[in-house]
Amino acid sequence: SQQGEEDPQALSIQEGENATMNCSYKTSINNLQWYRQNSGRGLVHLILIRSNEREKHSGRLRVTLDTSKKSSSLLITASRAADTASYFCATGDTSGTYKYIFGTGTRLKVLA
Amino acid sequence: GAVVSQHPSRVICKSGTSVKIECRSLDFQATTMFWYRQFPKQSLMLMATSNEGSKATYEQGVEKDKFLINHASLTLSTLTVTSAHPEDSSFYICSARLWRGGLRAYNEQFFGPGTRLTVL
Repeated sequence: SQQGEEDPQALSIQEGENATMNCSYKTSINNLQWYRQNSGRGLVHLILIRSNEREKHSGRLRVTLDTSKKSSSLLITASRAADTASYFCATGDTSGTYKYIFGTGTRLKVLA
Repeated sequence: GAVVSQHPSRVICKSGTSVKIECRSLDFQATTMFWYRQFPKQSLMLMATSNEGSKATYEQGVEKDKFLINHASLTLSTLTVTSAHPEDSSFYICSARLWRGGLRAYNEQFFGPGTRLTVL
């Protein structure tokens, strides 16, 4: 079952602006990962944040995790047209099943 | 890094035929692999968990007789869509679990590039 909800569902911004996407989930997690998917393509792993971490950076990406609110955010700074894609969060649960459940995704469009 | 491959990348078949999709972890062993399905403009839905040497665990609503999963080795899981129908047309993605041990151990998933199935 789908446990992550992402908002916004779609986001359109100008090149150079920052893009923020949010992910909320329902159960306790071991870690949370963000992925990018270009249209019709496979998934590209962006960043993993563990449940005991609050913030992580990777290049122009900044991810935060608030386990008390069961939410995470992905910030892309100084966006580029090449960042146009769908972005998904995926949560790894603590049940020992090692399953990852994906959020609904945010479709980001960066206008040149 | 850890690489997962899928074969074929694209397949078109006639209604009623069976299609096998392979998922391989190329540079690591994976006791657990996962199969997802993605419809256009939607998210990935977990179909089943594939465990090496044992039966797969299917998510609610997924027909196990329709989607046969075999995880015969630590580097290969196969998904067979039996008697495929047009509504089975979708993007199928597998992933493999890698256990990162050590003091700060955690699981990480690596995804294959996906297989686009079109059933005519």
